[in-house]
Amino acid sequence: DGGITQSPKYLFRKEGQNVTLSCEQNLNHDAMYWYRQDPGQGLRLIYYSQIVNDFQKGDIAEGYSVSREKKESFPLTVTSAQKNPTAFYLCASSMDRYSNQPQHFGDGTRLSIL
Amino acid sequence: KQEVTQIPAALSVPEGENLVLNCSFTDSAIYNLQWFRQDPGKGLTSLLLIQSSQREQTSGRLNASLDKSSGRSTLYIAASQPGDSATYLCAVSDYKLSFGAGTTVTVRA
Repeated sequence: DGGITQSPKYLFRKEGQNVTLSCEQNLNHDAMYWYRQDPGQGLRLIYYSQIVNDFQKGDIAEGYSVSREKKESFPLTVTSAQKNPTAFYLCASSMDRYSNQPQHFGDGTRLSIL
Repeated sequence: KQEVTQIPAALSVPEGENLVLNCSFTDSAIYNLQWFRQDPGKGLTSLLLIQSSQREQTSGRLNASLDKSSGRSTLYIAASQPGDSATYLCAVSDYKLSFGAGTTVTVRA
């Protein structure tokens, strides 16, 4: 089945540690997105990529980094510079690289601080 | 900056009752508006997408209306069922997608 796979489902980070969240899609979509979801708030865009080897900062990119070396993969690294990383992270994709409108979402990764 | 608000934050109804969920946005210059469903600990599933030129969109028991001039959309779910229990989010698209915080719905059997 086509879709987006996020792993792991749960992740714990120690102080000063970088962690990487995986996002893989087999939908052949050009555009991919990373969102952060906090209780009582809407989803906020961290980074997005419209094409391989290119990505753009979203509204809350500080403390995060991404890469897009393959069309299928868009990993997100939460660096030690992100002081409040506890949140639910959602990856999404869309066929149209220009629409900035995600169509399919993964099941998310919940990140917590140890 | 586009602001999207959903009121109420939570709603509990008995099975069979019709649901009315509200979404308001501050900038009417949008391309479209989308309603999503999110189950606990899961990602988002798109329910309905209304283009800016449309007034409403229907899918089964779901009907969404859009009034761009007043910056409002309403999602109606007819004859609610326990399986409709979830969080419903609206999102408006201008140059990017802006999300509301969602309304968490509980349908009591």
